[in-house]
Amino acid sequence: DTGVSQDPRHKITKRGQNVTFRCDPISEHNRLYWYRQTLGQGPEFLTYFQNEAQLEKSRLLSDRFSAERPKGSFSTLEIQRTEQGDSAMYLCASSSNSLGDNDEQYFGPGTRLTVT
Amino acid sequence: DAKTTQPPSMDCAEGRAANLPCNHSTISGNEYVYWYRQIHSQGPQYIIHGLKNNETNEMASLIITEDRKSSTLILPHATLRDTAVYYCIVRVKYGGATNKLIFGTGTLLAVQP
Repeated sequence: DTGVSQDPRHKITKRGQNVTFRCDPISEHNRLYWYRQTLGQGPEFLTYFQNEAQLEKSRLLSDRFSAERPKGSFSTLEIQRTEQGDSAMYLCASSSNSLGDNDEQYFGPGTRLTVT
Repeated sequence: DAKTTQPPSMDCAEGRAANLPCNHSTISGNEYVYWYRQIHSQGPQYIIHGLKNNETNEMASLIITEDRKSSTLILPHATLRDTAVYYCIVRVKYGGATNKLIFGTGTLLAVQP
């Protein structure tokens, strides 16, 4: 059973550059979440997909952020014109709300972004 | 905002039981108590959840008070690998807009050798 995978694990970029992260959820999971975590804080919700539909976006997700989940499988999170304040761990999680499932979220290892 | 209150840190001796408290005095009738933990530099890991009955699995036990305003996560025999930040979260299990998790700052459990 493969868990949630994220790529890359680490990304260093210069301010103003665009970055894209990928998340591969557990294969039978129809729900996918993105969270952001800064040092010393718990993860904060960014956005949520059920299958390919993006159903909720946090106000933390500024216009520079965009997420997609084509075909309801993997997802990408793009940050345009990165700023130093975007430096954080970006976490992806997936879950299943099929009958009989507990809908608990399984997290990937995260992508640590450093904007210089 | 998180709906739970946890102590910022706790120590526990290796091999002893670790009891992590959580207050959730505003919990609604359809909200469950979930526990996750996050080992340094890893993603959060699901531990256990419950509604009103005590629950036990291979990782831990969850004790929820009768009024459901507080709960305790019990790690029966803590090991050094249990050193982590433990998050107590209340949420609706099904339904709702997203079932997103709202994390607080959690409890840093340090297991001492």
